[in-house]
Amino acid sequence: GIQVEQSPPDLILQEGANSTLRCNFSDSVNNLQWFHQNPWGQLINLFYIPSGTKQNGRLSATTVATERYSLLYISSSQTTDSGVYFCAAYDYKLSFGAGTTVTVRA
Amino acid sequence: EPEVTQTPSHQVTQMGQEVILRCVPISNHLYFYWYRQILGQKVEFLVSFYNNEISEKSEIFDDQFSVERPDGSNFTLKIRSTKLEDSAMYFCASSGGSQREGKQYFGPGTRLTVT
Repeated sequence: GIQVEQSPPDLILQEGANSTLRCNFSDSVNNLQWFHQNPWGQLINLFYIPSGTKQNGRLSATTVATERYSLLYISSSQTTDSGVYFCAAYDYKLSFGAGTTVTVRA
Repeated sequence: EPEVTQTPSHQVTQMGQEVILRCVPISNHLYFYWYRQILGQKVEFLVSFYNNEISEKSEIFDDQFSVERPDGSNFTLKIRSTKLEDSAMYFCASSGGSQREGKQYFGPGTRLTVT
């Protein structure tokens, strides 16, 4: 099955900072999703982005399918952005990466 | 945005007992999934379901597990004889449309604790 790798594994930010999270996948995909796992364990859909660029408020994502990677940008980070960010790529199922744990300090 | 719902939010059971986790997918969706996440680990695929039958399953989904769509709205995961290592968060997901690879919508999860 498809392999998904995320980097960095951990990220500590000062409030207001910008950051980039990376997701590499081992094969071509027709679906790439980004999630934020909140402190209650819920997976919050951030982006469905098999290719191209999308923006949602302070978050944006870019997937370059031909080069097998996706990037999640967090701008002007806030403490509420803390949590684990997962990307997941679809072959016949969603295969998740191990996640990036983001800690935003006030 | 439409939502997938799951019940219960938290279930505690004793080893060897049967549990049924319930999900209500988004009403016009055609593809249904179960995933699990052991504490501190990544989310793992268990099974996918389409047209009233299992379409794919992982190695985790052994004979102890079964899925069912008993009516037009519910989708259930049954674990026949729970083990300590079944303790995890279980997520239901659904996707719609004509493409399997469409966006998957996840429920809030059921946290299963086996004692």
